[in-house]
Amino acid sequence: QLQLQESGPGLVKPSETLSLTCSVSGDSVSNVLSYWSWIRQPPGKGLEWIGYMYHSGNINYNPSLKSRVTISVDTSKNHFSLNLSSVTAADTALYYCARGTCGSTNCFFYFDQWGQGTLVTVSS
Amino acid sequence: QTVVTQEPSFSVSPGGTVTLTCGLTSGSVSTNYYPSWYQQTPGQAPHTLIYNTNIRSSGVPNRFSGSILGNKAALTITGAQAGDESDYYCVLYLGPGIWVFGGGTKLTVL
Repeated sequence: QLQLQESGPGLVKPSETLSLTCSVSGDSVSNVLSYWSWIRQPPGKGLEWIGYMYHSGNINYNPSLKSRVTISVDTSKNHFSLNLSSVTAADTALYYCARGTCGSTNCFFYFDQWGQGTLVTVSS
Repeated sequence: QTVVTQEPSFSVSPGGTVTLTCGLTSGSVSTNYYPSWYQQTPGQAPHTLIYNTNIRSSGVPNRFSGSILGNKAALTITGAQAGDESDYYCVLYLGPGIWVFGGGTKLTVL
């Protein structure tokens, strides 16, 4: 059974870099049928897609965050990571990792499994 | 920048039917956007309801259905129950490798 677990510091200072990891069990980050995303939710607000990665090295980011975001993968540890630089209070949010999966012949471009999320607060 | 629109809030009576919509500020939503829908109750991670416009995720009751209505994607809940009171989010795939969430609809069942 697939499990996604976000981890990282719960408190980050303004102007510093937020770093989170999503540990995957029950699937492989190298699976050609799976793709992996980061999504966030500020307190009391809606969901925002941050970026995604696919095993082949395809990575893409929300244009509004692109200048500050890096997503990377460590296949040896079966996890993928999020770095968000120059954070401000506006980056305070619950951060989710999520998986999307394709069939053998087509892809439906949605998120079928989510982690429980980790709260990151930006404050001095 | 593409903005996905949803009703901020909606109310339905127990046993009633409600249709939530997902549109674009510019253009029409079609199946080419692979609309998907997620339910989120307070304190919980989102749960996948519908993908590829109208395919129910595993275990989702058939009270939930997805469609394209006019120029929007739609989520219809029939026979609403108290447990359906949640936030509902749609997501559109703009491709390649770009998704956009709607602002979410807070559904009240009363």
